[in-house]
Amino acid sequence: AQSVAQPEDQVNVAEGNPLTVKCTYSVSGNPYLFWYVQYPNRGLQFLLKYITGDNLVKGSYGFEAEFNKSQTSFHLKKPSALVSDSALYFCAVIRKSGGYQKVTFGTGTKLQVIP
Amino acid sequence: EAGVTQSPTHLIKTRGQQATLRCSPISGHTSVYWYQQALGLGLQFLLWYDEGEERNRGNFPPRFSGRQFPNYSSELNVNALELEDSALYLCASDHREYNQPQHFGDGTRLSIL
Repeated sequence: AQSVAQPEDQVNVAEGNPLTVKCTYSVSGNPYLFWYVQYPNRGLQFLLKYITGDNLVKGSYGFEAEFNKSQTSFHLKKPSALVSDSALYFCAVIRKSGGYQKVTFGTGTKLQVIP
Repeated sequence: EAGVTQSPTHLIKTRGQQATLRCSPISGHTSVYWYQQALGLGLQFLLWYDEGEERNRGNFPPRFSGRQFPNYSSELNVNALELEDSALYLCASDHREYNQPQHFGDGTRLSIL
């Protein structure tokens, strides 16, 4: 079984301040982790992924995520938030099963960047 | 490369009617996934098709069904529509290759009156 938890329904941050959106996971074996962003009335857009290698992963739009195996976390970060970053963010974990990959999404965190 | 396309963009139905939603995956992708998203909330997994077969199904009643065609496009059918079926229905596709992200369409907004 696998699961993803996003403990915060909403995160508020002032424009220009650093932001963190939290994600913890549970999966057997090595985790394969993803972050997506969703703007209103749009589908999810891929931001970044961790498969192996460096624990700090850089992605689109200045976002990065830090993989922490001991804490089973994969938090999304950005050094300086923009108002345009306001959106819904989803964390996801992949597990290989029977030759296919099975994806589990978190419940999503709404990021509100305040001007 | 064309992305995942869904049609129609919006669909308005009344209770008891039937709805058909369509999805064309990215060229080369063999898997198609359907999700329901109500009120901008979390994704609820509906169905997963690969190579024309249903591989997995979420916790939804049998009136939610679908199929995948030989060209890997897919249809989602919802029978006997209920008010709570109003939602954004998202389609995603990926290749069988492991570790690649799903690619999403912009969804079909289904409204039940």
